[in-house]
Amino acid sequence: EIVLTQSPGTLSLSPGDRATLSCRASQSVRNNILAWYRQKPGQAPRLLFYNASSRATGIPDRFSGSGSGTDFTLTISRLEPEDFAVYYCQQSGTSPLTFGQGTKVEIK
Amino acid sequence: EVQLVESGGGLVQPGGSLRLSCAASGFTFSNFWMSWVRQAPGKGLEWVANIKVDGTEKYYVDSVKGRFTISRDNAKNSLCLQMDSLRAEDTAVYYCVRGGSRFDRWGQGTLVSVSS
Repeated sequence: EIVLTQSPGTLSLSPGDRATLSCRASQSVRNNILAWYRQKPGQAPRLLFYNASSRATGIPDRFSGSGSGTDFTLTISRLEPEDFAVYYCQQSGTSPLTFGQGTKVEIK
Repeated sequence: EVQLVESGGGLVQPGGSLRLSCAASGFTFSNFWMSWVRQAPGKGLEWVANIKVDGTEKYYVDSVKGRFTISRDNAKNSLCLQMDSLRAEDTAVYYCVRGGSRFDRWGQGTLVSVSS
């Protein structure tokens, strides 16, 4: 099983700040099949990126995804109020599909 | 508009059974793999199971193998999860999700509580 470790656990920032979230895999993610999701309180998750860097439908360009192999990054260039949420990475290159434990982006 | 609406959650005793259903609309259901993902209270996300477009392939996380069964009815645009021999650690919100590997649409979830 591929274990995904996200860091930091919590990120305290202000609106307009830049956020950099990390996702590290215990072994290489096949074909970089890694996705990112945002989950606002009380809501279901929403897909942000797939295949590490392909932006999902409707996701603004202040979000960017990058990385390969075992190290992946989600960057939010300027935080908007709706971006204060929990973010999860998820790999589907190897069964079982696994998620990271999440990074919470909170208002400083 | 894509919609996924789950039903069937509730309180059940350890060892009991529940059947979750998901009604899909707004897309061609028979063209998509489908999955169930769960989230224990205050915890992260866990993939539970997925099923191929025609139902011929099904995959499960180890912790539910032999206890849970995923199925689909393409004629009725519906997805199901039969959950038997339920344990306290199965307590979670269960999401119906479009996709077999990347999850691009989610339902709002149904809460399953396993407790005596």
